[in-house]
Amino acid sequence: SQTIHQWPATLVQPVGSPLSLECTVEGTSNPNLYWYRQAAGRGLQLLFYSVGIGQISSEVPQNLSASRPQDRQFILSSKKLLLSDSGFYLCAWSVLDSYNEQFFGPGTRLTVL
Amino acid sequence: AQSVAQPEDQVNVAEGNPLTVKCTYSVSGNPYLFWYVQYPNRGLQFLLKYITGDNLVKGSYGFEAEFNKSQTSFHLKKPSALVSDSALYFCAVRDMSGGSYIPTFGRGTSLIVHP
Repeated sequence: SQTIHQWPATLVQPVGSPLSLECTVEGTSNPNLYWYRQAAGRGLQLLFYSVGIGQISSEVPQNLSASRPQDRQFILSSKKLLLSDSGFYLCAWSVLDSYNEQFFGPGTRLTVL
Repeated sequence: AQSVAQPEDQVNVAEGNPLTVKCTYSVSGNPYLFWYVQYPNRGLQFLLKYITGDNLVKGSYGFEAEFNKSQTSFHLKKPSALVSDSALYFCAVRDMSGGSYIPTFGRGTSLIVHP
């Protein structure tokens, strides 16, 4: 069966510090991968998605970046965090070239102080 | 273009009563429709989907949803609510004709089931 992992689960970082959040998927190959941010326990904002290694599409211009160094690994990064980067970050995957449902990871709660 | 609306920020229902969480959508072609549930500080969990076929779709935890093409709706229902159903519910849509696999999510509806 497929599993998606995210770490860390929680993170408290000072403004201006770097960020690296990691997401890995097990039990599937060539997935579509997604990063979302959820603010105030409400709507989802799509940040990045990827259809393959090294292929990243950005949905919202910001100080975040994403990379996919391996087929089932998706990394969200920032060189300098802003207060507005605080939120709940969710990684998700879906079957490549499919309109099927997404499967979400447990999330990372990021607080920027 | 695709969009989805969840007109209620919050739905309150007594335990044992039927519940409905509303969702309407707009697409250029035919829709793929999804419902997800999110418990506090957790990721979203897939509940059910409509792709084609029977308009009444049954999913996890006793939930079901009815696809209504004329009303462009996909309301989530359950015959008898449980306190443990209290959570945040998201509707999502993908346009079959759009060529993109990126879904559009609603803003979410908070369901509160009172004992």
